[in-house]
Amino acid sequence: GQQLNQSPQSMFIQEGEDVSMNCTSSSIFNTWLWYKQDPGEGPVLLIALYKAGELTSNGRLTAQFGITRKDSFLNISASIPSDVGIYFCAGLPHNAGNNRKLIWGLGTSLAVNP
Amino acid sequence: DTEVTQTPKHLVMGMTNKKSLKCEQHMGHRAMYWYKQKAKKPPELMFVYSYEKLSINESVPSRFSPECPNSSLLNLHLHALQPEDSALYLCASSQVPGGGLKTEAFFGQGTRLTVV
Repeated sequence: GQQLNQSPQSMFIQEGEDVSMNCTSSSIFNTWLWYKQDPGEGPVLLIALYKAGELTSNGRLTAQFGITRKDSFLNISASIPSDVGIYFCAGLPHNAGNNRKLIWGLGTSLAVNP
Repeated sequence: DTEVTQTPKHLVMGMTNKKSLKCEQHMGHRAMYWYKQKAKKPPELMFVYSYEKLSINESVPSRFSPECPNSSLLNLHLHALQPEDSALYLCASSQVPGGGLKTEAFFGQGTRLTVV
């Protein structure tokens, strides 16, 4: 099935560093969502984006809806140990119609060295 | 309140057992979802309910039977499962897409299911 290209697959960084990850698609999306998931827990919504070019922040997190509507990125500034987890992008394609099926990236696994 | 509550958190069941997973939300969302997630993989959609009616079944085996008794509750009935069905089962809810409504999905904590 359709899938988003999410990169990088994994990151190992030092506490205090900034982090950037992105998702790309070959087709246009109407919605981009960024989730964080801790082991054994459900995904937690971080940021939702609905307009091309939209730039939204949530604390140390910033995400943007690409102007081509085919990509999105998530930045984390000044990382801390609790940022550890798997970050997923998900999106709703422009041609989804009444199909409410989110398309998911494969995730970015983030490890932070204190 | 953006909470989706799932019970139980953990479940171990034999291949001949019948069990049910439960999900509840009070955000007024009229779309509810069941997802299955294997370790280190993204969630895989199983079922979508819209206005309490099943709108999407992603070719899920009949040993999984969803039910939406009302706009706040979603159940997943399990019968004759296989060991490969062991996974994290996630419930989610959202507003129904369309009409400019925001459609972000909120997830519950999940039920860790082990089939023995």
